[in-house]
Amino acid sequence: QTVVTQEPSFSVSPGGTVTLTCGLSSGSVSSSYYPSWYQQTPGQAPRTLVYSTKTRASGVPDRFSGSILGNKAALTITGAQADDESDYYCILYMGSGSFVFGTGTKVSVL
Amino acid sequence: EVQLVESGGGLVQPGGSLRLSCAASGFSFSSFVMSWVRQAPGKGLEWVLGISGTGDNTYYADSVKGRFTISRDNSKNTLYVEMNSLRAEDTAVYYCARSYSANWRPFDHWGQGTLVTVSS
Repeated sequence: QTVVTQEPSFSVSPGGTVTLTCGLSSGSVSSSYYPSWYQQTPGQAPRTLVYSTKTRASGVPDRFSGSILGNKAALTITGAQADDESDYYCILYMGSGSFVFGTGTKVSVL
Repeated sequence: EVQLVESGGGLVQPGGSLRLSCAASGFSFSSFVMSWVRQAPGKGLEWVLGISGTGDNTYYADSVKGRFTISRDNSKNTLYVEMNSLRAEDTAVYYCARSYSANWRPFDHWGQGTLVTVSS
């Protein structure tokens, strides 16, 4: 059973920078997994931030950036704002038509 | 503008059945892989089913295999999921989501979700 791991929580100061990661319980994440990132606030549908490692979705501010860092996918928020306080999920394409979401990271801005 | 609108959720008894629909507009529906993603109350996101643009290829998570069926009607720009033998653990908000290409890729657009509650 493949587990996609994310940090449970992060705290960042307004204006600060935070990097969330997305790893595999076994193996390394590469661009061939097409890692993508979503933001979700309570009661709302997910919002796409980044897909295919580093392509920002339409309308997403450039303070959100995606990358591969070492053996993980990463989402960096630069210049965090109060409304960035949300849950963040990554997803990996595992092949053969299947996808696995990460466990999610709760980001607090305070 | 891409729009995905789910419908069909509601309260159903354990062992019952339900069909969800997702009406798509604003893009060439038949050109994109589509999926259903669910989120149980207070839990994370779970991909559960996917279907190719033509409908010829379908994939299921183990948690729903043999009980749920995904389909699409490209003439109506609508995605479906038929859910049978429902269990309490199927209680969730169900989202339809569009892959960002004709290939099997993660999602760029989401519907607003429809709540399915399985309870006696």
